[in-house]
Amino acid sequence: SQKIEQNSEALNIQEGKTATLTCNYTNYSPAYLQWYRQDPGRGPVFLLLIRENEKEKRKERLKVTFDTTLKQSLFHITASQPADSATYLCAPPADRGSTLGRLYFGRGTQLTVWP
Amino acid sequence: ETGVTQSPTHLIKTRGQQVTLRCSSQSGHNTVSWYQQALGQGPQFIFQYYREEENGRGNFPPRFSGLQFPNYSSELNVNALELDDSALYLCASSSRGASTDTQYFGPGTRLTVL
Repeated sequence: SQKIEQNSEALNIQEGKTATLTCNYTNYSPAYLQWYRQDPGRGPVFLLLIRENEKEKRKERLKVTFDTTLKQSLFHITASQPADSATYLCAPPADRGSTLGRLYFGRGTQLTVWP
Repeated sequence: ETGVTQSPTHLIKTRGQQVTLRCSSQSGHNTVSWYQQALGQGPQFIFQYYREEENGRGNFPPRFSGLQFPNYSSELNVNALELDDSALYLCASSSRGASTDTQYFGPGTRLTVL
């Protein structure tokens, strides 16, 4: 069965630095992959989607890459701020190109940005 | 903030009881998915409802059931509660026919089973 691994459970960085979060997947090839942010006690919030034919996607200080050869997506936050502290979740569809609303979430990486 | 609302926000039940959780989807969305998120884990897909019918189910037993109403709101019912059912239950709405699975999540219901 497919498996999603996010690089670490926790990442601590200093304000102003770039945070890089990793999502690795095995046993299938998703046609796209989404990243969500989740704050404690809240539901996940959609951030970015990247498709398999896109190498990179940007939104303000956020950048996502998708390497189908390495089966890996990287999520970068540049010029990080304490307000970026949250858990970040990687979510490809459960089935390769599914548009049926079934996402397969990793366990997330808890990012802490300290001043 | 999304337009997805859930009730109640917190709930405490004892083992063996039954619980009903409610979700109102975002305006214009016709599909509701339910996820269970245990502490320290990512959300796990329970099932999805579209046009008032179950449309896909994750690896959850039949004691997890649901409904969708004509206004697209939805309920999640769990019978014979077990301690391991303690989790954050998330409802997510989306629009069927969209090109991707972007989900708009509600704030969740925190269920504690004692």
